[in-house]
Amino acid sequence: DQQVKQNSPSLSVQEGRISILNCDYTNSMFDYFLWYKKYPAEGPTFLISISSIKDKNEDGRFTVFLNKSAKHLSLHIVPSQPGDSAVYFCAASNFGNEKLTFGTGTRLTIIP
Amino acid sequence: ETGVTQSPTHLIKTRGQQVTLRCSSQSGHNTVSWYQQALGQGPQFIFQYYREEENGRGNFPPRFSGLQFPNYSSELNVNALELDDSALYLCASSPLTGVNTEAFFGQGTRLTVV
Repeated sequence: DQQVKQNSPSLSVQEGRISILNCDYTNSMFDYFLWYKKYPAEGPTFLISISSIKDKNEDGRFTVFLNKSAKHLSLHIVPSQPGDSAVYFCAASNFGNEKLTFGTGTRLTIIP
Repeated sequence: ETGVTQSPTHLIKTRGQQVTLRCSSQSGHNTVSWYQQALGQGPQFIFQYYREEENGRGNFPPRFSGLQFPNYSSELNVNALELDDSALYLCASSPLTGVNTEAFFGQGTRLTVV
């Protein structure tokens, strides 16, 4: 049972435009959500997180939106840059349990 | 500040053998988690160690075991290797258990079982 789902395996976006990556979850106990970025031959790198008490968190070019009623979150990257090309993983956990449940990832390609 | 380091980076083993993977956590981090990432999948939680005790386990058989040492470094041991154990094994450390915070990952160990 996939509790965290990323339904788009890949996404291509023109440089300078907005990239929107989506993630859905089924476990209502999740209250902390994270996005990680992964380059080949490297471990995942933390990008941004959001607690369930918020609906938006921004960090520079990256913004994460959380819609608890829809059990949906999204990562917006604007403007997109060639260095953003990577696989992006959505992950979730519940308070006091740092086990992360990951989605299957979305490969983002930024076209120059 | 030293990040999370894992060794070795690549490993080839024969079915039925045993393997030990190692992880040094980031300075100041007392919690270590291990994940298995199969090809085309997201990382799957194996188990977590906090203060040298197992603190949560995912859906993995007992032949997957671990240790955490007083300096918070950790080992993942897999006995009786199977072909399906071929994957990237990731170690992650975090500063405190019980508080929502991001985990920091090492570069992983690529295990191939033949």
